[in-house]
Amino acid sequence: DTGVSQDPRHKITKRGQNVTFRCDPISEHNRLYWYRQTLGQGPEFLTYFQNEAQLEKSRLLSDRFSAERPKGSFSTLEIQRTEQGDSAMYLCASSSQVGVYNEQFFGPGTRLTVL
Amino acid sequence: AQSVTQLDSQVPVFEEAPVELRCNYSSSVSVYLFWYVQYPNQGLQLLLKYLSGSTLVESINGFEAEFNKSQTSFHLRKPSVHISDTAEYFCATCNDYKLSFGAGTTVTVRA
Repeated sequence: DTGVSQDPRHKITKRGQNVTFRCDPISEHNRLYWYRQTLGQGPEFLTYFQNEAQLEKSRLLSDRFSAERPKGSFSTLEIQRTEQGDSAMYLCASSSQVGVYNEQFFGPGTRLTVL
Repeated sequence: AQSVTQLDSQVPVFEEAPVELRCNYSSSVSVYLFWYVQYPNQGLQLLLKYLSGSTLVESINGFEAEFNKSQTSFHLRKPSVHISDTAEYFCATCNDYKLSFGAGTTVTVRA
């Protein structure tokens, strides 16, 4: 399967713990995006990478959140000192940099539950 | 910034009946509009997109959407739904590289 993959698919953690999610984009895509989807809402943009450079972070991304894409391939999203409000589906997407609009391909998501 | 509003949170429909999901956008500049579908326990999949050109766009599984500039709408329609169309549908627009989604419409198809 050459689509976007995310790991783990589900994560249950206790409040105050740190968690890290991984996203592997489609191999030839140089753009990578993180979104967060809470129950009953559409996905909201969190951050965006072009190659290894993080070009934008949403104000939703508090200082407890950090994302990296060290070699311009896979990306990690870490949440420190998790809170119950962090419970959500975290979606990763990737796209190429061709043309006016670059279709974003989404992974299956990581569902985080903070107890 | 561009945004979209989905007017229906839930749409129950019987199998083989038509369905329409409503989406309005707000923008004063050129828009890119999309419909994404999310099946249970799966990621988002692009259903169809409007970038420019013909205002009527179609997907491979029978859905179509019409870009209506005067009504600032991009409603999604299917003339006859199947059980397998049960899913959540999201209207979205693109601000530079960021997708901005509506709240979603849950379609439940009943036999």
